[in-house]
Amino acid sequence: EIVMTQSPATLSVSPGERATLSCRASHTVRDNLAWYQHKPGQAPRLLIYDASTRATGIPARFSGSGSGSEFTLTISSLQSEDFAIYYCQQYDSWPPLTFGGGTKVDIK
Amino acid sequence: EVQLLESGGGLVQPGGSLRLSCVGSGFSFSNFAMSWVRQAPGKGLEWVSTISISGSSTYYADSVKGRFTISRDNSKSTLYVHMNNVRAEDTAIYYCAKANSASQYGKLDYWGQGSLVIVSS
Repeated sequence: EIVMTQSPATLSVSPGERATLSCRASHTVRDNLAWYQHKPGQAPRLLIYDASTRATGIPARFSGSGSGSEFTLTISSLQSEDFAIYYCQQYDSWPPLTFGGGTKVDIK
Repeated sequence: EVQLLESGGGLVQPGGSLRLSCVGSGFSFSNFAMSWVRQAPGKGLEWVSTISISGSSTYYADSVKGRFTISRDNSKSTLYVHMNNVRAEDTAIYYCAKANSASQYGKLDYWGQGSLVIVSS
């Protein structure tokens, strides 16, 4: 099973600032990685797939990078609606599909 | 607009059974693999199960293998999970999620709002 590790667990950021979230895989997942945004009481939302491709309707301030076992999600200028929990997920070697533990982005 | 609507959650006793349903609309349901993902209280997302477009291939997390059964009825655009012999650790919000293609099972591009299952006596 590929273990996904996200850091930091919590990131405190002021509106308008840049946020950088990290995700590491225990084995290479090539570029078979997705990022999701999840707010309490809502459906998770796909942001990025194939490590760097924005999903339909996702604003350009969200960008993904990396390949192999190290990945980054960057939010260039945080908006109020971006405060949420973010998960990475690999789909290279499965079952099982595996998610990271999440990074909570909150208001500084 | 793609929509996924789960139902069937509730309170169930340990060792009991429950069936969750997920109705899809706004897309051609029979052309996409589907999955269940859950979130236990205070925890992150955990993949539970995936089914192919025809239902001929199914995949399960070790934690539910032998107890849960995923199925689908393409004529009704509905995904199911039958949960048997449930345990306290199955308490979670269960989300259904749509894969973004028939062959790429792992990219989950739309999710439902979730259905809460509580296992308790």
